[in-house]
Amino acid sequence: QVQLQESGPGLVKPSQTLSLTCTVSGGSISSGGYYWSWIRQHPGKGLEWIGFIYYTGSTYHNPSLKSRATISVDTSKNQFSLRLNSVTAADTAVYYCAREIFGSLPRIDYWGQGTLVTVSS
Amino acid sequence: EIVLTQSPGTLSLSPGERATLSCRASQIINSNYLAWFQQKPGQAPRLLIYGASSRATGIPDRFNGSGSGTDFTLTISRLEPEDFAVYYCQQCDTSPRTFGPGTKVDLK
Repeated sequence: QVQLQESGPGLVKPSQTLSLTCTVSGGSISSGGYYWSWIRQHPGKGLEWIGFIYYTGSTYHNPSLKSRATISVDTSKNQFSLRLNSVTAADTAVYYCAREIFGSLPRIDYWGQGTLVTVSS
Repeated sequence: EIVLTQSPGTLSLSPGERATLSCRASQIINSNYLAWFQQKPGQAPRLLIYGASSRATGIPDRFNGSGSGTDFTLTISRLEPEDFAVYYCQQCDTSPRTFGPGTKVDLK
């Protein structure tokens, strides 16, 4: 059973950088066949896709974040990470990491439990 | 970017009733790349349907997905108490991936 767990500070000051890590257990990031994703949800709102990374390091980031987001992978630790710079209160959200199967029937099949990040001074 | 629109915003129904949720895309989507998720308060979304009509592992057969092109539907044949939640459609056809704004199914 694959499990994903987000970790990182729950409070970040405005203009600073939000950093989160997702630790994957029950499967190897390096096994291929999956995109490792970050998705966020503003309080009481819908889901916003941030981007994903393949184990080789190939990434796609949502242009809506105006190049503030960077997703990286550390296969030796079976982790992938999100950095979001120049944060504002509008970045306050629950951040989820997730696994997307790619292929003929792509889908997000596993999610972390989510971690609330608040941007406030 | 593919924009997904869901209707209605809220559906007020009673247990045992049928729920019909709509998801419309701003451009044609390959049916293989349309999914539905259920989310309950304080929980991560859960995959219900992928490929527009394939049920995910462990999903009861009262959940059915259909549609093609730009119009997709999630039907819950007979609502159980645990089905009252928010439902999102999502496309994996192009990047950025996008989600619909959600339909809340609440208790009438």
